[in-house]
Amino acid sequence: DAKTTQPTSMDCAEGRAANLPCNHSTISGNEYVYWYRQIHSQGPQYIIHGLKNNETNEMASLIITEDRKSSTLILPHATLRDTAVYYCIVRVAPWNYGQNFVFGPGTRLSVLP
Amino acid sequence: NAGVTQTPKFQVLKTGQSMTLQCAQDMNHNSMYWYRQDPGMGLRLIYYSASEGTTDKGEVPNGYNVSRLNKREFSLRLESAAPSQTSVYFCASSDSTNEQYFGPGTRLTVT
Repeated sequence: DAKTTQPTSMDCAEGRAANLPCNHSTISGNEYVYWYRQIHSQGPQYIIHGLKNNETNEMASLIITEDRKSSTLILPHATLRDTAVYYCIVRVAPWNYGQNFVFGPGTRLSVLP
Repeated sequence: NAGVTQTPKFQVLKTGQSMTLQCAQDMNHNSMYWYRQDPGMGLRLIYYSASEGTTDKGEVPNGYNVSRLNKREFSLRLESAAPSQTSVYFCASSDSTNEQYFGPGTRLTVT
């Protein structure tokens, strides 16, 4: 699975959009981009994933560049409850059972009042 | 649905003691996983089970054993605990899309 690079930490004002970048320059054609987050002391929580098209769900939007070498997770209206560590992960196609996720150190997002 | 449940929530062991961490999921998922998370670090995969009856080593399997008891349950055993195994342990399960659902974690301290 391709390696990812994320900033160690970021701040965001409450109510503003939080844009979390991720570089994955060695991503392969069959690898998806996944985003998870971990709120303090809890298990990681799935947010969104995509292959090459932009994706949106009730939690966030995922913007993937055309060359797929980087992506941005957007939380449109950050709240204090969005303070967490956010993990960007790339891995092979989701129908490969048993393929494991490699969780790096992630980005610590602090939403400030 | 309870999702993924783990027991116990907290545990303190002395060096050399053994214990089993229990995990169960009620989502009818085929795959299950055990991770550990050390302070300030991401998660590292210990073992996984792609389907009932199969288990495979992950990134850091030394000092651990696992059992996929049935489709619902996946246990992690420490035969002789060491201080280096002090960590938070997370169990996860996944369906055909491989979106992983995580349990609340077990906080283990080995003295």
